[in-house]
Amino acid sequence: KAGVTQTPRYLIKTRGQQVTLSCSPISGHRSVSWYQQTPGQGLQFLFEYFSETQRNKGNFPGRFSGRQFSNSRSEMNVSTLELGDSALYLCASSFTGGPYEQYFGPGTRLTVT
Amino acid sequence: GESVGLHLPTLSVQEGDNSIINCAYSNSASDYFIWYKQESGKGPQFIIDIRSNMDKRQGQRVTVLLNKTVKHLSLQIAATQPGDSAVYFCAIPLQGGKLIFGQGTELSVKP
Repeated sequence: KAGVTQTPRYLIKTRGQQVTLSCSPISGHRSVSWYQQTPGQGLQFLFEYFSETQRNKGNFPGRFSGRQFSNSRSEMNVSTLELGDSALYLCASSFTGGPYEQYFGPGTRLTVT
Repeated sequence: GESVGLHLPTLSVQEGDNSIINCAYSNSASDYFIWYKQESGKGPQFIIDIRSNMDKRQGQRVTVLLNKTVKHLSLQIAATQPGDSAVYFCAIPLQGGKLIFGQGTELSVKP
């Protein structure tokens, strides 16, 4: 079974631009969670989607948004990029959204200049 | 809110030695704990978990110990190998697919 895939793997953007990251979960998984990983703050929860509905959201500004499609693929969008948004963005998929079975993708490395 | 902390940001051990990575948590109501391993260029990978009704759980070369009295858990890796070099995180799951992660301990294994 193929693992969680994320595209692109690397991205360089300029401050003020917007960016869209994509996550394809493991086949059959209906929950996708997104995390931001930085050296200073570590791994922080962004949001979780299940069957196209956002069920949970972390403490991030409204510039961070996401969505999930009927095939469970998910995208997250960051508008008006700031230098501090430079991070590794990870998505994790699971069948039900429970913590017992979250599988992480390799992440998208976003650099904002 | 829930918080998770690690005692050491880095740990260096000799190949073949045992490694111990520690983690502390704040909420005594937490009932489930997970250890993840993150290798360079990869996402976190599940290693082992433990429920609060257990004090100890063993996997292949890994053991997790839970001390609920002092809200502390540890990951022990037996006969550490170069392939064990990675960052190790403890994590506590909350509702709705949310995991609270510790800051991570970077384990380096010297050959």
